[in-house]
Amino acid sequence: EAAVTQSPRSKVAVTGGKVTLSCHQTNNHDYMYWYRQDTGHGLRLIHYSYVADSTEKGDIPDGYKASRPSQENFSLILELASLSQTAVYFCASSDWGYAEQFFGPGTRLTVL
Amino acid sequence: QQKVQQSPESLSVPEGGMASLNCTSSDRNFQYFWWYRQHSGEGPKALMSIFSDGDKKEGRFTAHLNKASLHVSLHIRDSQPSDSALYFCAARNTGYQNFYFGKGTSLTVIP
Repeated sequence: EAAVTQSPRSKVAVTGGKVTLSCHQTNNHDYMYWYRQDTGHGLRLIHYSYVADSTEKGDIPDGYKASRPSQENFSLILELASLSQTAVYFCASSDWGYAEQFFGPGTRLTVL
Repeated sequence: QQKVQQSPESLSVPEGGMASLNCTSSDRNFQYFWWYRQHSGEGPKALMSIFSDGDKKEGRFTAHLNKASLHVSLHIRDSQPSDSALYFCAARNTGYQNFYFGKGTSLTVIP
């Protein structure tokens, strides 16, 4: 079965610090996504990628960077973490743009 | 402005009952829809897609799409306690690379 893993599963960071969230997929999918989930907001797209070494901005990219060094790996980087970035972050992959997205288990990030 | 609106925000149905969830989009170009389900503490998981007008049935789940009214619904027949979860509608048009997700409907099935 398709598998998307995320690390770490939870993290506490300090305001102004750097945070890197990692995602790995074994689905051989071209598309990968980073979402954040907040109560009352549903899922919002931060960055996505449809090919290695290239990333695209989603709906809420401010304060986030993304890196796709290989087809299997996709990272989300918070250079200067802020309180407002406290949320649950999900990574997902899909075979093509209209296809089912397979989500990872999520990373709970708390910025203090 | 939220491009995809879901209603109701929360819903309770008795075990064995029918649950009906709704989704409307503000963009007439949205043509492609997915329903996802998220159990507490897990990532969302796809239930079914619907890209054409009409009904699509998969087991106890039936999706209905009416592109003219920008409305899609999900009906869960014979609801089970394991169906208790957060349900998301996701919509996309041909001009955008990705899907927009609604805020979700929280379903509780009461044994």
